[in-house]
Amino acid sequence: AQRVTQPEKLLSVFKGAPVELKCNYSYSGSPELFWYVQYSRQRLQLLLRHISRESIKGFTADLNKGETSFHLKKPFAQEEDSAMYYCALSGFRNTGTASKLTFGTGTRLQVTL
Amino acid sequence: EPEVTQTPSHQVTQMGQEVILRCVPISNHLYFYWYRQILGQKVEFLVSFYNNEISEKSEIFDDQFSVERPDGSNFTLKIRSTKLEDSAMYFCASSERRQGNQPQHFGDGTRLSIL
Repeated sequence: AQRVTQPEKLLSVFKGAPVELKCNYSYSGSPELFWYVQYSRQRLQLLLRHISRESIKGFTADLNKGETSFHLKKPFAQEEDSAMYYCALSGFRNTGTASKLTFGTGTRLQVTL
Repeated sequence: EPEVTQTPSHQVTQMGQEVILRCVPISNHLYFYWYRQILGQKVEFLVSFYNNEISEKSEIFDDQFSVERPDGSNFTLKIRSTKLEDSAMYFCASSERRQGNQPQHFGDGTRLSIL
């Protein structure tokens, strides 16, 4: 079974403060982890995937298989980062099969002045 | 940038009626998905579709639900006899056919309200 846990429903930080959105997962196989973001009244957008190991909008996330975590971090929060953030997991698939995403419950990030 | 489009944005239906939610995936994508999000809850997988057949479905996707790709562009979700608990946001997503898990691209969603 696949499970994703985001323990915080709301994270409120001041502008310029560091941000860490927590995500833990449970999966017996080899997982792929993603972070999706949903800005107010907009669609779910892919922010990061662990396999890319890149930084988008200053956000990074490292897959820690030992701790089964994929926390999202940003050193200095900006007002425009305020949004709903969803961690999601997918099992590895070969070409020819579609693989579902299992989402966490999401964390609302609120960046205040 | 190409997008997944969903229509209608909001659908209000009487309980027991049939409803069809429509999606146009990104044109070169071959994997298609439906998810739903009940208000205040997380996004849940309903069904995935590839090569004109269902790849996987969740326990939510019972006999009342069906999916179809009636032509080369549309991907539909039909609920035969709606129930109050079907009220939710329904998201369509699509991804490319390549090795590994290509990111899923989501539409804006259809808000389904059952009265």
